[in-house]
Amino acid sequence: DTGVSQDPRHKITKRGQNVTFRCDPISEHNRLYWYRQTLGQGPEFLTYFQNEAQLEKSRLLSDRFSAERPKGSFSTLEIQRTEQGDSAMYLCASSSTGTYGYTFGSGTRLTVV
Amino acid sequence: DQQVKQNSPSLSVQEGRISILNCDYTNSMFDYFLWYKKYPAEGPTFLISISSIKDKNEDGRFTVFLNKSAKHLSLHIVPSQPGDSAVYFCAASALSGGSEKLVFGKGTKLTVNP
Repeated sequence: DTGVSQDPRHKITKRGQNVTFRCDPISEHNRLYWYRQTLGQGPEFLTYFQNEAQLEKSRLLSDRFSAERPKGSFSTLEIQRTEQGDSAMYLCASSSTGTYGYTFGSGTRLTVV
Repeated sequence: DQQVKQNSPSLSVQEGRISILNCDYTNSMFDYFLWYKKYPAEGPTFLISISSIKDKNEDGRFTVFLNKSAKHLSLHIVPSQPGDSAVYFCAASALSGGSEKLVFGKGTKLTVNP
């Protein structure tokens, strides 16, 4: 069990570029979550998958954001046409059905310049 | 509109004493509450949780108390240790409503002084 792995750890991109982040959950976990955390705030929910199905999405997830979890394993979060307001820590977490204490990854810090 | 509030941005205590971190919520649909601890450059780590059918849950040095009528919960750490220094987040969920998302507070930075 290597925990939840996120790649890359840091990403600096120019405004208007597209970026994609990857999350590898704990292998036996069927649930996967994406959160965003900005400075001085707690994590904010973006979206949730059970296996490969995306079951819940926040209104924070604008049409520039898309998340996938093909085959119910790893997940990707893509942000198109990045804006400076997208600068944040993007956290991935996973859990198993019936358990409610997520395991979070270390996050991907995005800086849009 | 912040549904989970941690009104103390920071707390400083002496090693060996009790740390009490507070959290208030406004949404009466919340029925499950969790505390997470976060060190710099790491993701949050699950600490302890409580269901709304209980008013207390204990795990070693950590105890969470829930007062549903006041919509208030607290985390007690006894005795506090320097390694407990971190940011603590309170989170809530409306599980019976079918939602899997957690709503987090802004966090309280705890410093335990040797």
